Amino acid sequence: AAGVIQSPRHLIKEKRETATLKCYPIPRHDTVYWYQQGPGQDPQFLISFYEKMQSDKGSIPDRFSAQQFSDYHSELNMSSLELGDSALYFCASSPDSGANVLTFGAGSRLTVL
Amino acid sequence: DAKTTQPNSMESNEEEPVHLPCNHSTISGTDYIHWYRQLPSQGPEYVIHGLTSNVNNRMASLAIAEDRKSSTLILHRATLRDAAVYYCIRAGTYKYIFGTGTRLKVLA
Repeated sequence: AAGVIQSPRHLIKEKRETATLKCYPIPRHDTVYWYQQGPGQDPQFLISFYEKMQSDKGSIPDRFSAQQFSDYHSELNMSSLELGDSALYFCASSPDSGANVLTFGAGSRLTVL
Repeated sequence: DAKTTQPNSMESNEEEPVHLPCNHSTISGTDYIHWYRQLPSQGPEYVIHGLTSNVNNRMASLAIAEDRKSSTLILHRATLRDAAVYYCIRAGTYKYIFGTGTRLKVLA
């Protein structure tokens, strides 16, 4: 069965640079969630999208933005990167909300030097 | 918005049942309770979820307190492959908030 695909799997950037992470949900899943997980931390909710519209927002810094495209894939853009942005970034998708089961991708590991 | 809290860590012997508690005292009436588990450097994996009634599936059982302020994930017979961090999650509309997580160690 198709899973949630995240790219790139690993990314190394310098401080103040920009990074873009991509998420391809399971086919026919129209809801996407982004999470940030620092070392030894629990995943923190950043933002979610339903049918290409932002549906809820968590602790996402103003330097970050995201969108969901017409094919339902989503991109998380991070600018003016800081050392503290180093983390695993997970994307998850579900058919819709109403507390459906989330399927998570394998994550993108961002390292900021 | 109080955090969903879980014990930091628990240990179990292989083949024995494990009860993983979760405190979600400020959960709203419409939030579901989900449980996921995570292996190192992997994405969380779904285990079970429920709203008010107890739930069973092939992986586990979920017992939800009558007042919904707490729940317990039950692994009926722990195996070495069950060693992971288990997260209790408050699942609202378009927003799933992870608890603090319990690292389960299974002893052979």
